[in-house]
This record gives sequence, C-alpha cells and structure tokens, in this order.
Amino acid sequence: GQNIDQPTEMTATEGAIVQINCTYQTSGFNGLFWYQQHAGEAPTFLSYNVLDGLEEKGRFSSFLSRSKGYSYLLLKELQMKDSASYLCAVRDGAGGSYIPTFGRGTSLIVHP
Amino acid sequence: EAQVTQNPRYLITVTGKKLTVTCSQNMNHEYMSWYRQDPGLGLRQIYYSMNVEVTDKGDVPEGYKVSRKEKRNFPLILESPSPNQTSLYFCVTRDRWDSNQPQHFGDGTRLSIL
Repeated sequence: GQNIDQPTEMTATEGAIVQINCTYQTSGFNGLFWYQQHAGEAPTFLSYNVLDGLEEKGRFSSFLSRSKGYSYLLLKELQMKDSASYLCAVRDGAGGSYIPTFGRGTSLIVHP
Repeated sequence: EAQVTQNPRYLITVTGKKLTVTCSQNMNHEYMSWYRQDPGLGLRQIYYSMNVEVTDKGDVPEGYKVSRKEKRNFPLILESPSPNQTSLYFCVTRDRWDSNQPQHFGDGTRLSIL
C-alpha cells in the first residue's frame, strides 16, 4: 500500500498564490492525481502527473518528483471559490491493482 | 451527457434494515468502485469491479456486498447496516482498470444509520 501525507488545513488571501504539498511512499508508482472537492459535493479532477515536472492548466499547476515521492498543487490568483478540499491520489501498479489511494485531503480556506 | 448516477442521495434508516445503494453509468466503463468518505479519514475504497462478474475487496469491505451482473450497474448492499456505516458514499468509474484517464464520481449518497 501507500502512505500519503498532505497538510490538513491551509489558509490564504484572495489574489495570492498557495502551494499544497503531497508526499507519498509507494512500491510501484503509476501516476498521481489531484482532485478538488467542495463541501457536500463529489471530487472533480484537476490534474494528472506520471512523469517528473510541471503540468500547467490555467491558474492551477501540478508538479511531480518521483525520486522524492513528492508532488505539489499550485493555485495562482486565488479566488473565494477556490475554498475547498484538495485531494492527492496516488496509483500503485505493483501487484497489478492500479487502484488510486487517496490522501486525507487539504482544506483550503481563502480569505478576502 | 456522461453520468454516474447514485440513488438514493440521502437516506436515514435504522440498524439491521437491509438497504441497497444503486450506481449506474452511461459511459460503457469497465471499471466501477465504491468509496466511503469520513471526516479525518478521507476516501477509502470498499469494493471494486474490473468488469462484469469480476469484483474484489478494497480496503474496508466488511459489512458490504456488491454485484456486477451488467456493465452499467454496480449496486452496494448493506445486509445489516450498523451505525459505524454512517458515511458519505461515492460510486466511482473509469473506462478501464489500468487507464490513465481520470475517474468519474457520482454525486454521493449520504447514509445515516441510527
């Protein structure tokens, strides 16, 4: 299985930049996903990284370092609607399961 | 429109009364799974199915059953619900079990077992 660690909660100011970190330990890394989840709603897909480097998608970027077991989600020009929980999910291909395991999520609070 | 439909969305029931949460998808996805989400514990997988008639246990299968008789449906059955099964449940699908495509989530079912 995997151990996935994310900060429990973060706060930031509208218009600022915030970085949410995710560290993991896995025997057969096969991809890392980031999801956004607003309270009471289903998670929605944000990004997928399987190779090292930065993937940029508008205001959101995700970075992966496989050698360090580390990823971050970068949110720029924060808006109030970005207040949500952000879930890191790691897929392990060892044993052929390919089933993503989710971290406990980081609750981001954006203040005016 | 691509959809994963769960029913019911909300249910309050009592200990021991069998219940079924249905999940249906219209994307012809082979892979379907059930997760529960609890405060402080995150999303944990209950059961998954890689294709019709193929199911397997996830991380927290105790107290649950599933079946996959047809590709589009993957019901979650609680034969004798208990209060510790009070949770938010998500049905999650993907085109194939080994695909790089993102997973699709249903809207969730909030179960309260009294």
